[in-house]
Amino acid sequence: EVQLQQSGAELVRSGASVKLSCTASGFNIKDYYMHWVKQRPEQGLEWIGWIDPENGDTEYAPKFQGKATMTADTSSNTAYLQLSSLTSEDTAVYYCNPITTASWFAYWGQGTLVTVSA
Amino acid sequence: ENVLTQSPAIMSASPGEKVTMTCRASSSVSSSYLHWYQQKSGASPKLWIYSTSNLASGVPARFSGSGSGTSYSLTISSVEAEDAATYYCQQYSGYPLMYTFGGGTKLEIK
Repeated sequence: EVQLQQSGAELVRSGASVKLSCTASGFNIKDYYMHWVKQRPEQGLEWIGWIDPENGDTEYAPKFQGKATMTADTSSNTAYLQLSSLTSEDTAVYYCNPITTASWFAYWGQGTLVTVSA
Repeated sequence: ENVLTQSPAIMSASPGEKVTMTCRASSSVSSSYLHWYQQKSGASPKLWIYSTSNLASGVPARFSGSGSGTSYSLTISSVEAEDAATYYCQQYSGYPLMYTFGGGTKLEIK
């Protein structure tokens, strides 16, 4: 069974950075592309990008270039999302989502709430 | 970027009613690449319908999806209280690579 355990909520200062984790069980992240999706409070969903944990290849949505950095540690079966130069616009829940060849997101973590304070 | 516009933004229905919500794309989407999610308050989204009309595992048969090109819809034949949620459509495009979500339709049950 695919399970995703995301790191706990973060309260961070404006201008700082934060690194979120997503630890997988029930599957090897090397067999998947690990995607990240953002959801601002009471708002819709935005795709951030994906990482291929096997070789570290990444692709970012244009809006998140320079804001987000995705990495992965195959030894711990964990994907990471680092967000830099945080502003109030980054206050959101961030979800990790593994995909193989499908174009839909079948598996969702529980999400990590990032709150940016002034 | 292919923009997805969902309508209505909010809708209300009584149990037993038939409801339909739509998802319109600014450019044509392959039906294989148009999907729907259900999100209840405080929970993560769940894949609900994939590739326009295929119900995800565990989704009740009262749900259906249809459409092509730039217009897609999700229909509930006889709405139940447990269907109260926000429904999002999502499309995939390979070039440029992009996964795009609609703004969502919130379904309230009277």
